[in-house]
Amino acid sequence: DAGVTQSPTHLIKTRGQHVTLRCSPISGHKSVSWYQQVLGQGPQFIFQYYEKEERGRGNFPDRFSARQFPNYSSELNVNALLLGDSALYLCASSKAGQGLGQPQHFGDGTRLSIL
Amino acid sequence: GENVEQHPSTLSVQEGDSAVIKCTYSDSASNYFPWYKQELGKRPQLIIDIRSNVGEKKDQRIAVTLNKTAKHFSLHITETQPEDSAVYFCAASTAGNTPLVFGKGTRLSVIA
Repeated sequence: DAGVTQSPTHLIKTRGQHVTLRCSPISGHKSVSWYQQVLGQGPQFIFQYYEKEERGRGNFPDRFSARQFPNYSSELNVNALLLGDSALYLCASSKAGQGLGQPQHFGDGTRLSIL
Repeated sequence: GENVEQHPSTLSVQEGDSAVIKCTYSDSASNYFPWYKQELGKRPQLIIDIRSNVGEKKDQRIAVTLNKTAKHFSLHITETQPEDSAVYFCAASTAGNTPLVFGKGTRLSVIA
């Protein structure tokens, strides 16, 4: 079975632009979470979606938004990009919501560079 | 909210020796503790996890122990090999839809 897939793998943007990152979960997984990983740090939680509803939001500004589609794939949108948004954006999927302590499996991530 | 501290930040061991990485958490309600291995330029890979109803779990050369009273958990790697070299992250979450909170990672180098 295919793992979590993310696209694109790399992206270069300039300040003020917006970006859309995409994620397809493992087949059968209904929960998708987004994390931001800055170089040298652990992943930081941005959003979680389960059954197409937002179930959690991390400490990120409103410039960050996300949604989940009926096929459980997900998009992360970031508007008005800042230099500090440069990071690896990771998507993780699990069978159920995080509250049930389900293992989360990560994709390879999208490396976003802001110039 | 939950806070996870991880030590050491770097660890070098000789091939064949054991490696131990320790994490502490702050929220006594946390009940799920996974460990991830991340090689350079690759995804975090789940290597082992433990739930709060278990004190120890082992999978071949890897084991995790949990002390709920002290709120700390540890990763033990025995008979280390060069391919164990990577950054290891611990994480914690609680029941009730809270996200994984990660430690800052430990860079493990296994010297042949």
